[in-house]
Amino acid sequence: QVQLVQSGAEVRKPGSSVKVSCKASGGTFSSYTISWVRQAPGQGLEWMGRIVPILDIADYAQKFQGRVTITADKSTSTAYMELSSLRSEDTAVYYCARVSGYSNASGYWGQGTLVTVSS
Amino acid sequence: DIQMTQSPSTLSASVGDRVTITCRASQSISNWLAWYQQKPGKAPKLLIYEASSLESGVPSRFSGSGSGTEFTLTISSLQPDDFATYYCQQYHLYSPWTFGQGTKVEIK
Repeated sequence: QVQLVQSGAEVRKPGSSVKVSCKASGGTFSSYTISWVRQAPGQGLEWMGRIVPILDIADYAQKFQGRVTITADKSTSTAYMELSSLRSEDTAVYYCARVSGYSNASGYWGQGTLVTVSS
Repeated sequence: DIQMTQSPSTLSASVGDRVTITCRASQSISNWLAWYQQKPGKAPKLLIYEASSLESGVPSRFSGSGSGTEFTLTISSLQPDDFATYYCQQYHLYSPWTFGQGTKVEIK
């Protein structure tokens, strides 16, 4: 069974960066698109970007262009999301999600990582 | 980016009610649409993919329909476990993916 396990909660100061990891187990890591989605407190889901590990190609929502970098390490089956120039509005739970395999819908989700941006 | 508009934003219903949530895309996405259920403090759960295909293990009271720009999620008989927030998501192959703003289903 596919499992995605994310790194723990982070606290950062405004202007700094954060890097969240997402380790996959079960299934074939490289073949399936992994997305990053965030959810600010009391708000909806916001898609940030995705990567196809086998192609090492990432693309991003327009809102995050230039500020987010999504990478994947095939040797450790781990995806990463780095967000820079943090501001208080970036305080959110960040999720990684993997497509199902029979569909590009996200059938597998990590447990979420709370990133708090505060001075 | 393709914009997804969900309605209503909040829905009050009773156990046993038939519930319908609508999602509209700003341009055609064929049937590249999913529906998710999210409960407080939990990750979203996939319910429907490709607009109308039921994810394995999801109760048959959930159904999806539509194509192009108009989509619906229907719960045929609302159960206590269904009170949650529902999101649509488009995953058109050559576009950034986007979510609707969510519909909270509350107890009436």
